Amino acid sequence: RKEVEQDPGPFNVPEGATVAFNCTYSNSASQSFFWYRQDCRKEPKLLMSVYSSGNEDGRFTAQLNRASQYISLLIRDSKLSDSATYLCVVTPPSGGYNKLIFGAGTRLAVHP
Amino acid sequence: DAGVIQSPRHEVTEMGQEVTLRCKPISGHNSLFWYRQTMMRGLELLIYFNNNVPIDDSGMPEDRFSAKMPNASFSTLKIQPSEPRDSAVYFCASRAGTASTDTQYFGPGTRLTVL
Repeated sequence: RKEVEQDPGPFNVPEGATVAFNCTYSNSASQSFFWYRQDCRKEPKLLMSVYSSGNEDGRFTAQLNRASQYISLLIRDSKLSDSATYLCVVTPPSGGYNKLIFGAGTRLAVHP
Repeated sequence: DAGVIQSPRHEVTEMGQEVTLRCKPISGHNSLFWYRQTMMRGLELLIYFNNNVPIDDSGMPEDRFSAKMPNASFSTLKIQPSEPRDSAVYFCASRAGTASTDTQYFGPGTRLTVL
């Protein structure tokens, strides 16, 4: 089983739509959680961290369910510029150097 | 801030040739990572340096791969001899510290094609 699993998509949605991505992780003791965004032929960039209490950044909402080992990302009012691959990322249990473990990514295509 | 700098941006070489990829981390960052990204395997960590010392090289595929960090502002990833299956995008990333809240910043990557 992969350490981080995501639905690869693609998700094809119209502008203005709300879209949700899910991610599961295998190690229940994983320490930190993030969503990264990767545009086509570009490097990954941090989109947001994910906290147990849930957090919001403008149109983006991230949630963590430790009991179910499940992370989600909700994008409201999708824009064309949101088209990208969204990578779910976790760090292993404490004691290491906080290496990042990436999921394979979920591709989003927003169309007019 | 110039960000993480990688060179070359594109490299096309023939099987058996030596390939050297270069990285300049963000000034002041003391952690450096090399990743490889392919369609089949996604983004994989190859090696991690902290304060110029290799800490974890468990992701290095085989002896053909080697990495060095002679000083805080420069690192290389070398493949010798290269094989077609090494074709991938190689990213370098740096981080200011080792806390889970410290962000990794990625360079633009080197797209390697081995014919």
